[in-house]
Amino acid sequence: AQSVSQHNHHVILSEAASLELGCNYSYGGTVNLFWYVQYPGQHLQLLLKYFSGDPLVKGIKGFEAEFIKSKFSFNLRKPSVQWSDTAEYFCAVQSSGGYQKVTFGTGTKLQVIP
Amino acid sequence: SAVISQKPSRDICQRGTSLTIQCQVDSQVTMMFWYRQQPGQSLTLIATANQGSEATYESGFVIDKFPISRPNLTFSTLTVSNMSPEDSSIYLCSVEFPESYEQYFGPGTRLTVT
Repeated sequence: AQSVSQHNHHVILSEAASLELGCNYSYGGTVNLFWYVQYPGQHLQLLLKYFSGDPLVKGIKGFEAEFIKSKFSFNLRKPSVQWSDTAEYFCAVQSSGGYQKVTFGTGTKLQVIP
Repeated sequence: SAVISQKPSRDICQRGTSLTIQCQVDSQVTMMFWYRQQPGQSLTLIATANQGSEATYESGFVIDKFPISRPNLTFSTLTVSNMSPEDSSIYLCSVEFPESYEQYFGPGTRLTVT
């Protein structure tokens, strides 16, 4: 069975600080990896995804994530956060092949202080 | 992409009653998913609903408690039966497009059972 661990449950940063949210997964096969974001009062939406190819993927709003296969990690980064990045961030893993179950991490609440 | 709506957006129900949640998608999709997000926890997949066949339930979830209908390619319902306070949660539906493997989420239904 696949699982996802997000190590940071609640992160507080000042504006312009750099962000890195940790995500590790457990699964023996080929995976698709995702970061989803949920802004206050809004739907879950996809931030970025990795299926194959370049392990450094870029998403919306200046976010990027790096897939390190040897470490089973997919950490999310942003060089300079803004107040509008305040949200909950979920890492998710899916075994490759489509229509496979997506397993979510427990989420990290990011609070950016102006 | 997809636009997904859910009804009701929230409800407060009494113990022992049932609630049916509707999920409407603005395009035809093969697979729809129902998730639960309990307070302070991550999303947990309840079941996968494929049009024209019985839903597939995850471990810990049973059809008698969470019956699902999928009458066509744009609509699904999830019923939470014989509710108890432990069923208080946000229930979300999502769809996946095979071309992108991305899942799009509805706004959720916030259920409180008293």
